[in-house]
Amino acid sequence: RKEVEQDPGPFNVPEGATVAFNCTYSNSASQSFFWYRQDCRKEPKLLMSVYSSGNEDGRFTAQLNRASQYISLLIRDSKLSDSATYLCVVNPRGFKTIFGAGTRLFVKA
Amino acid sequence: NAGVTQTPKFRILKIGQSMTLQCTQDMNHNYMYWYRQDPGMGLKLIYYSVGAGITDKGEVPNGYNVSRSTTEDFPLRLELAAPSQTSVYFCASSYSGTANQPQHFGDGTRLSIL
Repeated sequence: RKEVEQDPGPFNVPEGATVAFNCTYSNSASQSFFWYRQDCRKEPKLLMSVYSSGNEDGRFTAQLNRASQYISLLIRDSKLSDSATYLCVVNPRGFKTIFGAGTRLFVKA
Repeated sequence: NAGVTQTPKFRILKIGQSMTLQCTQDMNHNYMYWYRQDPGMGLKLIYYSVGAGITDKGEVPNGYNVSRSTTEDFPLRLELAAPSQTSVYFCASSYSGTANQPQHFGDGTRLSIL
């Protein structure tokens, strides 16, 4: 089993749609979690951290389920500019950060 | 507000040539990392450093070397370039390796080995 697994997609959604991605992780001792966004041929950029109580940043909501070992990202009212690859990132205790392979999202007009 | 700076942005090498990919950060981060990303694939950790003078291997270190003489700089060395090393290389840094310290990335070096 991979340490961090994501559905590669692609997810094709119309503008204005709500879309959700899940990511599972294998190390139950993992301490911190992030979602990154990566545009084509660009560097990954931090989208948001994921907190135990769940957190929201505008149209983006992140959730953590420690019991089932997954995190999720919900995007409401999708925009064309949301088209990108979304990387799930898990940081177990210590320095080692594990990046998922990413979920591709295409938002169409 | 430079953040993480990588040079060069593009490079073409011949098989067997050597080169150094430069990475510098101005955020006073202790931790620095080198990743490679092949087309359509995820990031793979090559080497990392937890501070000046301390480096260690990641998932795919073969064919690469690193050094960390200062907090700011973390160069990656390819000694004998091979076609399998054609990839995009990202350098990243974080304040520490502890919880809730995200990594910040440079904009990458696109390397082709022909």
